[in-house]
Amino acid sequence: GESVGLHLPTLSVQEGDNSIINCAYSNSASDYFIWYKQESGKGPQFIIDIRSNMDKRQGQRVTVLLNKTVKHLSLQIAATQPGDSAVYFCAENKVPYGGSQGNLIFGKGTKLSVKP
Amino acid sequence: TAGITQAPTSQILAAGRSMTLRCTQDMRHNAMYWYRQDLGLGLRLIHYSNTAGTTGKGEVPDGYSVSRANTDDFPLTLASAVPSQTSVYFCASSDSKGRVEGYTFGSGTRLTVV
Repeated sequence: GESVGLHLPTLSVQEGDNSIINCAYSNSASDYFIWYKQESGKGPQFIIDIRSNMDKRQGQRVTVLLNKTVKHLSLQIAATQPGDSAVYFCAENKVPYGGSQGNLIFGKGTKLSVKP
Repeated sequence: TAGITQAPTSQILAAGRSMTLRCTQDMRHNAMYWYRQDLGLGLRLIHYSNTAGTTGKGEVPDGYSVSRANTDDFPLTLASAVPSQTSVYFCASSDSKGRVEGYTFGSGTRLTVV
């Protein structure tokens, strides 16, 4: 079965609030994690990634946190906007970053709805 | 615009018929992948190819075949379609040099087998 999963299938937030999307993984050998955003009718789009030797990584309005002790990954979106409404997937890559290609294993996704 | 092109965008197919989903990338990525996306199950890997001339099986390969004759193209073939193959199919590619952007996905092919 899949080694990556999500705690919540849906999340509804008010515009302007911060959003937190969670993901649990079970494969401690995974060393590269990625968050994707998928809008309706489109393919997944890269948001941010993090290596297993990091605890936190920040992008524009997004932050990914990695807790290897409890095998937990989260995506924080600051000042959530209507355009952030989408399904968010976490994924893990079991092959060392920068090495030979690996396969991404995806979680089942969390749907984020932003209320105006 | 560089990226991945999938065709067709959607298709209704009679059970028992064969079909090839096309995927072409212009980024010179070595690795390419086919995923299917079903509600509640996320994206599951069907087949992959680490480089031209090689292919491998993913999580759900049964009923599908692929070929990788060159770097740019990675077609997915359903030899005899069944209703359980109704899904949205995504092709993706990745740079073997480990770009931080991970995979690039196409826009998908929505297939309905009736």
